[in-house]
Amino acid sequence: GENVEQHPSTLSVQEGDSAVIKCTYSDSASNYFPWYKQELGKGPQLIIDIRSNVGEKKDQRIAVTLNKTAKHFSLHITETQPEDSAVYFCAASGNTNAGKSTFGDGTTLTVKP
Amino acid sequence: SAVISQKPSRDICQRGTSLTIQCQVDSQVTMMFWYRQQPGQSLTLIATANQGSEATYESGFVIDKFPISRPNLTFSTLTVSNMSPEDSSIYLCSVVIYPYEQYFGPGTRLTVT
Repeated sequence: GENVEQHPSTLSVQEGDSAVIKCTYSDSASNYFPWYKQELGKGPQLIIDIRSNVGEKKDQRIAVTLNKTAKHFSLHITETQPEDSAVYFCAASGNTNAGKSTFGDGTTLTVKP
Repeated sequence: SAVISQKPSRDICQRGTSLTIQCQVDSQVTMMFWYRQQPGQSLTLIATANQGSEATYESGFVIDKFPISRPNLTFSTLTVSNMSPEDSSIYLCSVVIYPYEQYFGPGTRLTVT
């Protein structure tokens, strides 16, 4: 089955700096890669996703890049703000298992004011 | 997108009892899923809740322990049966909006004493 590894497990940055979280996956059949933000006491919130037919996607301060050859994808947050502090999860799934995502172990991001 | 609600939001239960968690979605969806998130951990898929048929369980999860109902396209329940402290987790309902986008409910925080 699919295996998703996520690094780092914790990340601390100063407000205004950039943050990068990286994930690798093992199943070449995976073609959908979402990122979730989970704040304390809440469910995971889909913040951005990318499909395998594109290499990069941006939405305001967040972007995701995908390298299918190397089987890795990354989340980039620019101009970080204290409200970006949360646990971030990457995930991977494919056409035949939509919804049955394999998740990374999560990254706890702390943005210091 | 989808708006998902869960009841109860949290509960403290005695060992050996059962708890039924409800999940309501604001639109009709074909694919609903139940996940478990143990304290400080990532998300693990319990089962796929199919409307009109029995749920499909992932390895390590069985129907006797986690019976699921899916009476229509907007509602599902998950029962955690004969609970033990090891069942203390966050239980999350999830849906897929065609073709890939996956959304999560706010979660039910269960503590078993």
